This record gives sequence, C-alpha cells and structure tokens, in this order.
Amino acid sequence: DQQVKQNSPSLSVQEGRISILNCDYTNSMFDYFLWYKKYPAEGPTFLISISSIKDKNEDGRFTVFLNKSAKHLSLHIVPSQPGDSAVYFCAASADSWGKFQFGAGTQVVVTP
Amino acid sequence: NAGVTQTPKFQVLKTGQSMTLQCAQDMNHNSMYWYRQDPGMGLRLIYYSASEGTTDKGEVPNGYNVSRLNKREFSLRLESAAPSQTSVYFCATEASLRTEAFFGQGTRLTVV
Repeated sequence: DQQVKQNSPSLSVQEGRISILNCDYTNSMFDYFLWYKKYPAEGPTFLISISSIKDKNEDGRFTVFLNKSAKHLSLHIVPSQPGDSAVYFCAASADSWGKFQFGAGTQVVVTP
Repeated sequence: NAGVTQTPKFQVLKTGQSMTLQCAQDMNHNSMYWYRQDPGMGLRLIYYSASEGTTDKGEVPNGYNVSRLNKREFSLRLESAAPSQTSVYFCATEASLRTEAFFGQGTRLTVV
C-alpha cells in the first residue's frame, strides 16, 4: 500500500522555466517530508525538507510547498537548468514510526 | 572522505545462490538502512538498524537477513536468491532517525 504517490512519472521543461513536481500522501500522521534528487548510476542525494509546522521552505532555486489539508506537497525549481535533469523522489515520515516512505519518483528532463 | 561505500556495484546470481551485500560508512552515523529500488515503486525499506547492535524489519524484509557488524558496517544477505529479488539495492545512513539520509552508489543485482 503506497502511502506516498508521485503520479507524474516524467516531466519535460525548457531551460529557464519553472519545474513543478507533485507528491500526494494518504497517511495523516506524516509530519516531515524530504525531497531527494537522483542521477543515473548514483545514489539519491538530499535536496530539501519541510516540517508540517511550515507550509513553505526555500533553498536557492528550490522551494517546497506543503498543503496539509490536501495532503499534498510540491517542489518548485526556478529557473530550471540542464543539470536539474534527474529523478526526484519525495519521502514522508511519521514521528511514531521514524522511517521514511518514498514515492515512485518523477523523471525531470530540462531541454535547452 | 568516502561517505557510504557499497560493494559490489554489480552482481549476477543464479536462482538459489546466496550472497552478501556489504555497506560501510565513515560518517559516524548511528542509523543505517537497506532499500531496494524497482521501476514504478520508488525506494522500499528492507531492513534498518537504528543503532549498533539493533536491527529491525522494514516494508519488504522477506528473503533477506542483515547484520550490523559494528557502527560502520551493515550487511544484507540473500540466502537463496530469487528472480523477484532482481533490483537495485541502496544502503543509506542517517545521523539519527528522521534526518536526511546519505546513500551509497547502489548495487545492481540480477537473479537469473
């Protein structure tokens, strides 16, 4: 039972434009969320996090928004660059369990 | 500073063979994890070790065993490999539960 869903397997965006990646979750106990970026033949690397006490967190070109009532978070990348072409995973955790559940990932391709 | 090192990077096994995937970290982290990544499924937790001397099952532990040999090393063993265990395996560490994870480069395992 996948409790974290990334319904868009892929996203193509032009260089310089905004990339918006979406993530939905079903477990209302989730209160801490991470985004990871993964290049081929490498392990995922941490990108940005957000706690349920916030609705937005920003780090440079990356912003994560959390809508708790909709059980939805999104990652915005502005402006998109060719080096952003990768698979992005969202992950969610509940304090009661402590481990993270991951979405299936979204492949982003940034075209010149 | 190597971070998280996994060996081997690639392996082909015949059904019924056994093998051990090795993971070592030099980050002095307490928590270590084994995940598998399958197409359309994201990362699924197999086993984890919150601290030296403890191990617990994750979402998909069947067919696997683990050993937390010391603080640095966490191995994953397949006693009798099955084609369903064909996957990419990632080891990860966290300084403590519910913090960002640092991943190894992965082991691509094919069971024929």
